[in-house]
Amino acid sequence: EVQIVQSGGGLVQPGGSLRLSCAASGFSLSNYWMNWVRQAPGKGLEWVANMGPDGNEKYYVASVKGRFTISRDAAKNSLFLQMNNLRGEDTAMYYCGRYNVGSSGEERGFHYWGQGTLVTVSS
Amino acid sequence: DIVMTQSPLSLPVTPGEPASISCRSSQSLLHSNGFNDLDWYVQKPGQSPQLLIYFGSNRASGVPDRFSGSGSGTDFTLEISRVEAEDVGIYYCMQSIGVPVTFGQGTRLEIK
Repeated sequence: EVQIVQSGGGLVQPGGSLRLSCAASGFSLSNYWMNWVRQAPGKGLEWVANMGPDGNEKYYVASVKGRFTISRDAAKNSLFLQMNNLRGEDTAMYYCGRYNVGSSGEERGFHYWGQGTLVTVSS
Repeated sequence: DIVMTQSPLSLPVTPGEPASISCRSSQSLLHSNGFNDLDWYVQKPGQSPQLLIYFGSNRASGVPDRFSGSGSGTDFTLEISRVEAEDVGIYYCMQSIGVPVTFGQGTRLEIK
């Protein structure tokens, strides 16, 4: 059974750092594009970053480039989002999601998500 | 960045009646492989998003057949043939042909 369990998050002061984790089971991170998507309170969905199956391709939304880093631990089958120099506008629920590109007969799209973890940036 | 524009942003619907949501992209989402890189998701209250439609018109496994997607290029539509109470939520279109991936603003469907 595919499961994605998120941890990390919490309250942090502006300028501070936080690391989000996403533990996957039932599949290997090295076979899928893994993504972070966030949702500010009362707002819509915003894609933040993703990492390709080989771990070498990484992309970020412009507003987090240079501050956030996506990474993974293959041995633990876990995905991470290191967030530095946090700002008030980073306050959001952060979701980890597995994206199928639609090859090998699989349906394309975000089929599996974590439960979300709340990040609050405030003094 | 590709801008996704949804309308309406609020959609009150009587149970049993149809509903339609429009999504327009600032650039064509038609890939060279002939598929449109356009998904539809619904986020029900307190939940993570759920996939409804991929490639613009393919219903995801387990999605009721009252949901359908259509369109190509820059204009797409999600239709619900007969709305049920459980369909309450916020509906998003999302493009994945370009980086960054971008979502529409969301359409809040509510029951009258």
